[in-house]
Amino acid sequence: GDSVTQMEGPVTLSEEAFLTINCTYTATGYPSLFWYVQYPGEGLQLLLKATKADDKGSNKGFEATYRKETTSFHLEKGSVQVSDSAVYFCALSPTSGSRLTFGEGTQLTVNP
Amino acid sequence: DTEVTQTPKHLVMGMTNKKSLKCEQHMGHRAMYWYKQKAKKPPELMFVYSYEKLSINESVPSRFSPECPNSSLLNLHLHALQPEDSALYLCASSEYRVQFFGPGTRLTVL
Repeated sequence: GDSVTQMEGPVTLSEEAFLTINCTYTATGYPSLFWYVQYPGEGLQLLLKATKADDKGSNKGFEATYRKETTSFHLEKGSVQVSDSAVYFCALSPTSGSRLTFGEGTQLTVNP
Repeated sequence: DTEVTQTPKHLVMGMTNKKSLKCEQHMGHRAMYWYKQKAKKPPELMFVYSYEKLSINESVPSRFSPECPNSSLLNLHLHALQPEDSALYLCASSEYRVQFFGPGTRLTVL
């Protein structure tokens, strides 16, 4: 079956540091890939998405590129802020259907 | 507008109570979902409605009863819950394989 593996957290960075959260997946066909962010006490917000190989999703300074050859969708940001502190979930949706498979989530804390 | 709304935001109930969670979206999405999320874990799928019909039930106990009165509304009726059912309950709707989540209802069962 489909699966998503995220780098284990928690991750703690200083403000303005570079962020990478690794995500790899296993799926047949051509899944769509997503990053969701969950701030404390809130629901999940769609951060960015990519629907085909080599697509780059971007939003709020975050980027991720759909790499089919390495089955990866790593999240990056050049300069994190305290307000980026949250839990980040990588997820995929299969070729047919919209059922989401989530990674375990990565807790990010950014210190001033 | 990509908003999914949920009410109430917080709910405390006893094990003998009956309560309902409500979810609403006005994006014209034809698929709607209920998830349960425990602390520090990803959401777990409970139910999926497609075109107002229940299409997936992930073997959820019968004390949780979903209802989809129309294409914009989704309810989750709760009865005789257990303390281990305390969690964040998330609603989502989707279009073209992209799911949009509501803010959730934080449920505490005493």
